[in-house]
Amino acid sequence: DADVTQTPRNRITKTGKRIMLECSQTKGHDRMYWYRQDPGLGLRLIYYSFDVKDINKGEISDGYSVSRQAQAKFSLSLESAIPNQTALYFCATSDVAGDRNEQFFGPGTRLTVL
Amino acid sequence: GEDVEQSLFLSVREGDSSVINCTYTDSSSTYLYWYKQEPGAGLQLLTYIFSNMDMKQDQRLTVLLNKKDKHLSLRIADTQTGDSAIYFCATGRRALTFGSGTRLQVQP
Repeated sequence: DADVTQTPRNRITKTGKRIMLECSQTKGHDRMYWYRQDPGLGLRLIYYSFDVKDINKGEISDGYSVSRQAQAKFSLSLESAIPNQTALYFCATSDVAGDRNEQFFGPGTRLTVL
Repeated sequence: GEDVEQSLFLSVREGDSSVINCTYTDSSSTYLYWYKQEPGAGLQLLTYIFSNMDMKQDQRLTVLLNKKDKHLSLRIADTQTGDSAIYFCATGRRALTFGSGTRLQVQP
């Protein structure tokens, strides 16, 4: 079984719809992250959480919100989707090992907003 | 904030060495990372280097770090078609900043 899972894997939606992307992990890690990937732009951080009560904005949080329901679950919401939110979204986890921040990624969710 | 830059594309012939370069701005990071993304998949950690090291070798992979110039490179020896992927360098403490990724194309 995959250690970091994302659902759905693909989603097509319309402008203005509310969308939730879900991430679950079985690695027992405290830290979880949401990124989006756009061609030629690499990965950009949307939100991250260091534990259930800790939520932090990343580089591009506008238009997104998150919920850390449990240590193992971290969901990303688009309250009112717009076409420029079409992208590949990745969830990642990491454990605390001093300053080392080795991250483990899910398989990604491809979101298309029409 | 942190800035990490990479060239977007590299093409090599099978059996040659590949060198992927990266520059970064934040000198406070303790670790620097190389990730690999194969088509349709998430990122996987390839290797990392601690900031007090100049070089790290792991089988076909060699990482070189020039702290003075804030330059990181990944050398893949005897490049194979299975090495075709996008390679990302990344650095940071609380959260990672990724470069734009270098697409490596290996020609038979």
